[in-house]
Amino acid sequence: GQQLNQSPQSMFIQEGEDVSMNCTSSSIFNTWLWYKQEPGEGPVLLIALYKAGELTSNGRLTAQFGITRKDSFLNISASIPSDVGIYFCAGHPNRDDKIIFGKGTRLHILP
Amino acid sequence: SQTIHQWPATLVQPVGSPLSLECTVEGTSNPNLYWYRQAAGRGLQLLFYSVGIGQISSEVPQNLSASRPQDRQFILSSKKLLLSDSGFYLCAWSPRGYIQYFGAGTRLSVL
Repeated sequence: GQQLNQSPQSMFIQEGEDVSMNCTSSSIFNTWLWYKQEPGEGPVLLIALYKAGELTSNGRLTAQFGITRKDSFLNISASIPSDVGIYFCAGHPNRDDKIIFGKGTRLHILP
Repeated sequence: SQTIHQWPATLVQPVGSPLSLECTVEGTSNPNLYWYRQAAGRGLQLLFYSVGIGQISSEVPQNLSASRPQDRQFILSSKKLLLSDSGFYLCAWSPRGYIQYFGAGTRLSVL
């Protein structure tokens, strides 16, 4: 079946640094979504992308829908302690009512 | 606005006991509904989804079942819990389409 490869699996960064993570697939997706999950909570939608090449920002977060429609990127600028959590990418293949999730990138911020 | 409720938040059950987790959505009609399981520190595994009352699709053969007795109610059940059923269970809803909105989750510990 379709899979999303999300990398890196985890990141340890200093507060104030910028963060980049990505999601790739061998299949084409028509929608890309980025979620953040904090410990003990459900994932919360951060950004939704609908068109190839689209670049969308939400505060310090910026995500891009890859031109090939097979990848997406999330950047976080000037990280702060509350950015800690697991970031999931998800793609919709537009053939049914399900979305495919990546395995997540766990972000740790060092004091 | 739409809201999703999941309960209980935490549950400790002995092996072999039954299970019933409930999820309800407010402020929308005819949503798609989903149950996911998340093992500790891992990704999201889709268990069941429903596009309407009484319509359930199972993604993974297992010890669990799901039911949708009302339009905005989704129930996850088991007749006899196994140790391997422990995990974080998430309910999600979606308007016709792709973006999914998650509940706060139920942490199930089977002892």
